[in-house]
Amino acid sequence: QVQLQESGPGLVKASQTLSLTCTVSGGSISSGGYYWSWIRQHPGKGLEWIGYIIYSGTTLYNPSLKSRLSISFETSRKQFSLNLRSVTAADTAVYYCAREIRTTVIANDAFDIWGQGTMVTVSS
Amino acid sequence: DIQMTQSPSSLSASVGDRVTITCRASQSISSYLNWYQQKPGKAPKLLIYAASTLQSGVPSRFSGSGSGTDFTLTISSLQPADFAIYYCQQSYSIPKTFGQGTKVEIK
Repeated sequence: QVQLQESGPGLVKASQTLSLTCTVSGGSISSGGYYWSWIRQHPGKGLEWIGYIIYSGTTLYNPSLKSRLSISFETSRKQFSLNLRSVTAADTAVYYCAREIRTTVIANDAFDIWGQGTMVTVSS
Repeated sequence: DIQMTQSPSSLSASVGDRVTITCRASQSISSYLNWYQQKPGKAPKLLIYAASTLQSGVPSRFSGSGSGTDFTLTISSLQPADFAIYYCQQSYSIPKTFGQGTKVEIK
């Protein structure tokens, strides 16, 4: 049973870099067919897709965050990481890592496994 | 970006009621539509993918329908465990976007 767990600081100062890691257990992070993703949820609000990385190292980012964002693998540790630069209060949110899978139906992609989420507050 | 609009934003219902939530996309997304359930303090859980396919382990009282721009999530007989927020999400194009959520509350 694949499980995901986010880790990282819960408080980041404005203008600095938010860094989070997602540890994957119970399965291989290196196998194809999955998109290892980050999603965030602002307090009391809806969900925002941040981006993903696939086994080859290819990444795809939300254009609204692309200029500040990088997602990378640490394959040996079965982890993938999020770095968001120059944060502001608007980046305060619960950050989730998730596995996105290409389902067998019409090649639709869906987030089938999620971490528990980690709250990150940006302070001034 | 494709905008996903859910209605209603919230609803009150009783155990045993039939509940319907709608999701409208700002452009056609074929059947590239997923539904999630989120309970307080928890991560979302995938319920339905590709508009109408039930995720493994999800009770059969949940069903989805629609294609193009208009989609529906139906709970045939609401159970106590179903009080939660429900989100639709399109996987048709980047960036992937979610609806604003529909909160299902106890009447």
